[in-house]
Amino acid sequence: NAGVTQTPKFRILKIGQSMTLQCTQDMNHNYMYWYRQDPGMGLKLIYYSVGAGITDKGEVPNGYNVSRSTTEDFPLRLELAAPSQTSVYFCASSYGKGPHNEQFFGPGTRLTVL
Amino acid sequence: LAKTTQPISMDSYEGQEVNITCSHNNIATNDYITWYQQFPSQGPRFIIQGYKTKVTNEVASLFIPADRKSSTLSLPRVSLSDTAVYYCLVGDRGSGGYQKVTFGTGTKLQVIP
Repeated sequence: NAGVTQTPKFRILKIGQSMTLQCTQDMNHNYMYWYRQDPGMGLKLIYYSVGAGITDKGEVPNGYNVSRSTTEDFPLRLELAAPSQTSVYFCASSYGKGPHNEQFFGPGTRLTVL
Repeated sequence: LAKTTQPISMDSYEGQEVNITCSHNNIATNDYITWYQQFPSQGPRFIIQGYKTKVTNEVASLFIPADRKSSTLSLPRVSLSDTAVYYCLVGDRGSGGYQKVTFGTGTKLQVIP
């Protein structure tokens, strides 16, 4: 199993541009999550999904959108990139709900907005 | 949700045992204590979870006293490769609504040669 894969690994955006961060898992997990991690800080939950077609906001959803059309994929969309969105983005998945059921993380996408 | 407090950073020499304590004074009856490890430039990795007393796996041990108001992650004989940030989380395993658990800043462990 590949586990959780994320693309791209790195990206530089200009202010106002849009992009989609891709996340795929092959463990047949119902639960998927997007986090962001700013330098020297912990992870903050952006959005999560409890199954195909069902998503909900986390702590810091503003400026982001998600969709979950399949069990495997959970893309994160940035519509109008801002410097405050410069961060490392991690996707995760789990069999049970929340981080107290083991979450498996992807390698991350490092995004810089200039 | 139970708030956790853990040291911001710790240094240790190679070969020593490292103990990282996490305080969680208002832990609830259904809450578990979960630890994740994050290496630089990687996502966190689940390392151990417990409810009470002691849990041991191939990576670490977790000690939880009877009152469960704190817990200690123990790493035996650390090596340079144990240099990482360690996060303590407290919460339940999913009964009811989703708990928007936050990974705090964790404890940055630096292992020194």
